[in-house]
Amino acid sequence: DAKTTQPPSMDCAEGRAANLPCNHSTISGNEYVYWYRQIHSQGPQYIIHGLKNNETNEMASLIITEDRKSSTLILPHATLRDTAVYYCIVRAWGSGGSNYKLTFGKGTLLTVNP
Amino acid sequence: EAGVTQFPSHSVIEKGQTVTLRCDPISGHDNLYWYRRVMGKEIKFLLHFVKESKQDESGMPNNRFLAERTGGTYSTLKVQPAELEDSGVYFCASSSIGGANEAFFGQGTRLTVV
Repeated sequence: DAKTTQPPSMDCAEGRAANLPCNHSTISGNEYVYWYRQIHSQGPQYIIHGLKNNETNEMASLIITEDRKSSTLILPHATLRDTAVYYCIVRAWGSGGSNYKLTFGKGTLLTVNP
Repeated sequence: EAGVTQFPSHSVIEKGQTVTLRCDPISGHDNLYWYRRVMGKEIKFLLHFVKESKQDESGMPNNRFLAERTGGTYSTLKVQPAELEDSGVYFCASSSIGGANEAFFGQGTRLTVV
């Protein structure tokens, strides 16, 4: 799986948009970009994933650059409960055992301030 | 719909003892994964089941760890004998069959070996 690079920490004011960047310059054509987060002492929580088109769901939006070498997770109106470590992970799509595992890095600690 | 459930939530055992962790995946999910985070480290993949078959066990640290998934439903992870370095949080996740389907994580079992 391609390696990702994320800033170690970010701050955001409550109610503002949080934009979390991720670089994945060695991503392959069959690799998706996934975002998970881990709120303190809980299990990782799936947020969103995408291949090359921008994606939006009830939690967030994912913007992937045209060359797919980087992406941005957007939380449109951050709340205090969004304080967590956010992980950007690239994972190959398709059948085969090793394609399913997620490789977690250090992630970005997002702190939402009142 | 019930999420991924793990038992126990906490376990404190003495070095040399045996501990068995249990994971109940989301109903209908054929993929089941075990991950763990040891103190100060990143979340690491341990193994992956497809139904009752081990698809990828490349992350299992040594032969003191035994994972089973009899009948393709719930899974157990046994550590025997436990060592101090086994302390950490063990996460289970499940997903449906399909290349890009996201994995849903349980709340984890915090294991402390003293």
